[in-house]
Amino acid sequence: DNQMTQSPSSLSASVGDRVTITCQASQDISNFLNWYQQKPGKAPQLLIYEASYLETGVPSRFSGSGSGTHFTFTISSLQPEDVATYYCQQYENLPLTFGQGTRLEIK
Amino acid sequence: EVQLVQSGAEVKKPGESLKISCKASGFSFTNYWIAWVRQVPGKGLEWMGFIYPGDSDTRYSPSFQGQVTLSADKSISTAYLQWSSLKASDTAMYFCARPKSPAGIDGFSVWGPGTVVTVSS
Repeated sequence: DNQMTQSPSSLSASVGDRVTITCQASQDISNFLNWYQQKPGKAPQLLIYEASYLETGVPSRFSGSGSGTHFTFTISSLQPEDVATYYCQQYENLPLTFGQGTRLEIK
Repeated sequence: EVQLVQSGAEVKKPGESLKISCKASGFSFTNYWIAWVRQVPGKGLEWMGFIYPGDSDTRYSPSFQGQVTLSADKSISTAYLQWSSLKASDTAMYFCARPKSPAGIDGFSVWGPGTVVTVSS
C-alpha cells in the first residue's frame, strides 16, 4: 500500500496567518493527490484535486502544490471557518489511501 | 441537484447482519464509481472499496476484502454496503462518495452525509 504521511498532526494558528501542511507519499504518485477538509460531524469536502487544481466554489486562499512524493497544502490567510481536519489522499494506485489528518485550530 | 442520500443510523448486536444504502440522484448512476469510506470515532478516513454500477465491477481494499460486500441496484440508482456478521470493531461512520469524473477515480467531489453504525451487545 502507498502510505501517506501528513505533518503536522495538529496545529494552532492565528486568523490571517499563512498555514502549510505537508503530505509525503511512500511511493511516487505523480500528481494524483487530493486534499479534503472535514468539519466535525460532516462529510469531507474536496478542496484540491490533481495536486494543485482548486475545486469549483472553493475559496482561492486554499492552494496545493507538489508532485512525486512530496506535496504541500497552503491556506494563505487563515479564517475562523477554516477550523477543521485536513486530509490528503492518493489515487495513483489501489488501495486508495488517506493521510492520517491534520487538525487545525485557531489560537 | 447532484446528491447521495444515505440510510439512517443503525444499532446492531455482534453477529447480526446489516445492509446500508446510498441513493444517487442528479447524475448518471451507471457511469460513476461509488466508493465507501469508513471513519471510526475520533479517527481518520479509510477507503473500503468501490463499485461501478454500470457493470458491477467491484474493487476492495485488502483491509476490507471478505469483511464486507458492495453491491448496486441500477434500477433504483442505489449502492449498498453489507455485513453478514457484525463485530464491535465495525462501529463507525460510513460515507459513500462519488468521484469528479465519469469512470474515473479522481477526487471525491460528492459525498453522502454518512450512516452511523453502532455494534454493541
